[in-house]
Amino acid sequence: DAKTTQPNSMESNEEEPVHLPCNHSTISGTDYIHWYRQLPSQGPEYVIHGLTSNVNNRMASLAIAEDRKSSTLILHRATLRDAAVYYCILRDVRGGSNYKLTFGKGTLLTVNP
Amino acid sequence: GAVVSQHPSRVICKSGTSVKIECRSLDFQATTMFWYRQFPKQSLMLMATSNEGSKATYEQGVEKDKFLINHASLTLSTLTVTSAHPEDSSFYICSARLTSRQGGSGAWTGELFFGEGSRLTVL
Repeated sequence: DAKTTQPNSMESNEEEPVHLPCNHSTISGTDYIHWYRQLPSQGPEYVIHGLTSNVNNRMASLAIAEDRKSSTLILHRATLRDAAVYYCILRDVRGGSNYKLTFGKGTLLTVNP
Repeated sequence: GAVVSQHPSRVICKSGTSVKIECRSLDFQATTMFWYRQFPKQSLMLMATSNEGSKATYEQGVEKDKFLINHASLTLSTLTVTSAHPEDSSFYICSARLTSRQGGSGAWTGELFFGEGSRLTVL
């Protein structure tokens, strides 16, 4: 599986935007970029995913570099409830039936009031 | 979003006993579910892929005779930790891929839905 690299931790202030980076220099053309987050003592929660184009949803935006070797998850206005570990995951869709996700270490986001 | 429920959320057992954890998709059907294990301050480790009506596919290094997985219906997968020992104490999390939903098209949106996790403590 192609690997992702994320900072171990980041800090932000409440109501400010947060940009969480992810490097995936060995990404292949069939890899989707997924982001999940995990609050303490809970299961992960889907945030967003994309392939080539930037994506927006009610939770966040995903900006994908033109060469796809990196991406950035953008939380437009951080709240205290956004404090979590954020995982950037590549999922290879070759074969059409690979749905499993392999989690890396993720980025621990701390939001200061 | 779709809801996945795990039961029990917490379980304490004696060494040598077996423990069963259930993972249910409450408002959708799931032909594929996944089981993860997470130790404190570590990431999730995929243990196995559970397929409805067929044998589970285990990741390398996971003992299939110790971690029994059954996916007998489209809404339920179970993980049984057999002859549990203290080193099996962990946070077990399941996830499900939405195959079809009541009243909906069921087209997969690309996301997996995770349960709230089950914390196992083996004494």
